[in-house]
Amino acid sequence: NAGVTQTPKFQVLKTGQSMTLQCAQDMNHNSMYWYRQDPGMGLRLIYYSASEGTTDKGEVPNGYNVSRLNKREFSLRLESAAPSQTSVYFCASREPRPRGEQFFGPGTRLTVL
Amino acid sequence: DQQVKQNSPSLSVQEGRISILNCDYTNSMFDYFLWYKKYPAEGPTFLISISSIKDKNEDGRFTVFLNKSAKHLSLHIVPSQPGDSAVYFCAASGGTASKLTFGTGTRLQVTL
Repeated sequence: NAGVTQTPKFQVLKTGQSMTLQCAQDMNHNSMYWYRQDPGMGLRLIYYSASEGTTDKGEVPNGYNVSRLNKREFSLRLESAAPSQTSVYFCASREPRPRGEQFFGPGTRLTVL
Repeated sequence: DQQVKQNSPSLSVQEGRISILNCDYTNSMFDYFLWYKKYPAEGPTFLISISSIKDKNEDGRFTVFLNKSAKHLSLHIVPSQPGDSAVYFCAASGGTASKLTFGTGTRLQVTL
């Protein structure tokens, strides 16, 4: 039981390049989330998916797209990376009960030059 | 507009003493609150939560207090241990919303 896994762990991009961050969970959770963590800013929600087939914008969605591929997988895509997207990205999933705990992946550290 | 605020970026406490981490919120629709702990290079892990129908929840060395009238919650760690050194995030959710709103975090250092 791996919980929430993320790939890659580290990535360096040049401005304008694109990439997809992968996330998978094996806990059969309905809800999945993408956050970014920046110094002094805490964890900010980028996009979330309350259930398979649905996605919604969070607090900072600009410059990102997401795909809920199936119940297990939720990917985050940067179409044209910018230095402002340098951050640590966390994926999370949440237990189905209304007040379920969120479980986080280990994070992806992304640097955009 | 920061709906969940942790005004102390850092806190240093001696081993064995009490650590008190504070969190304020502005959204009166929030009715469920959580604390997460984060070590460097790892994802946050759930620590303890409290529903707005309670004013206290305890789990071992960790106690969360909720003051709804003041829109304030606090996390008490007694006694503090060096392994408690981490960044602590307060989070809140409200109604049927499945998403959490996080504070900016407080870095706790427990010294020997």
